[in-house]
Amino acid sequence: NAGVTQTPKFQVLKTGQSMTLQCAQDMNHNSMYWYRQDPGMGLRLIYYSASEGTTDKGEVPNGYNVSRLNKREFSLRLESAAPSQTSVYFCASSEEVGYYGYTFGSGTRLTVV
Amino acid sequence: GEDVEQSLFLSVREGDSSVINCTYTDSSSTYLYWYKQEPGAGLQLLTYIFSNMDMKQDQRLTVLLNKKDKHLSLRIADTQTGDSAIYFCAESAGNRDDKIIFGKGTRLHILP
Repeated sequence: NAGVTQTPKFQVLKTGQSMTLQCAQDMNHNSMYWYRQDPGMGLRLIYYSASEGTTDKGEVPNGYNVSRLNKREFSLRLESAAPSQTSVYFCASSEEVGYYGYTFGSGTRLTVV
Repeated sequence: GEDVEQSLFLSVREGDSSVINCTYTDSSSTYLYWYKQEPGAGLQLLTYIFSNMDMKQDQRLTVLLNKKDKHLSLRIADTQTGDSAIYFCAESAGNRDDKIIFGKGTRLHILP
């Protein structure tokens, strides 16, 4: 049982480049989330999808877009990467938005130079 | 808005008990969680407690909830080097659309 799988694990981008972070879960969860983690800032929610077909902004959505491709997959896209987007990105999923905690992926460490 | 506060660092000697504290502001919190993040890994749910409980024990872990003071604590008995991690406190109101709110995390450092 893989849980939440994120790819890639590491990525270096040049300023202005674009990329998509992939996330897939195999637990039949309805809700999925993208967070970024920065030193001293804790976890900040970028976007979430309460259910297939819906997406909503979180605390720090600027510079990002998301796609809930199907129930399993939720991708995060950086259209024009900036050094301020250097961070560790985590995808998570849960049965519903408010219940029983989230299952997290192992993260993508992104550096924008 | 809702907020979850916890101290950023805690140092404990190996074999002693660790107590990580957390306060939250949302009086409608229904679920309170503790997550553990080991170096280079994602967050892992350690335990959670419902707001109608005062205490929950699971092997070396004891969670205490003081709902009146909106205070949550995690006690780790006989702290081991493998307990070295960042511990996140979190809460949710438990309604369908209420997201989990995370604290900034407490880094637990184990002294030999």
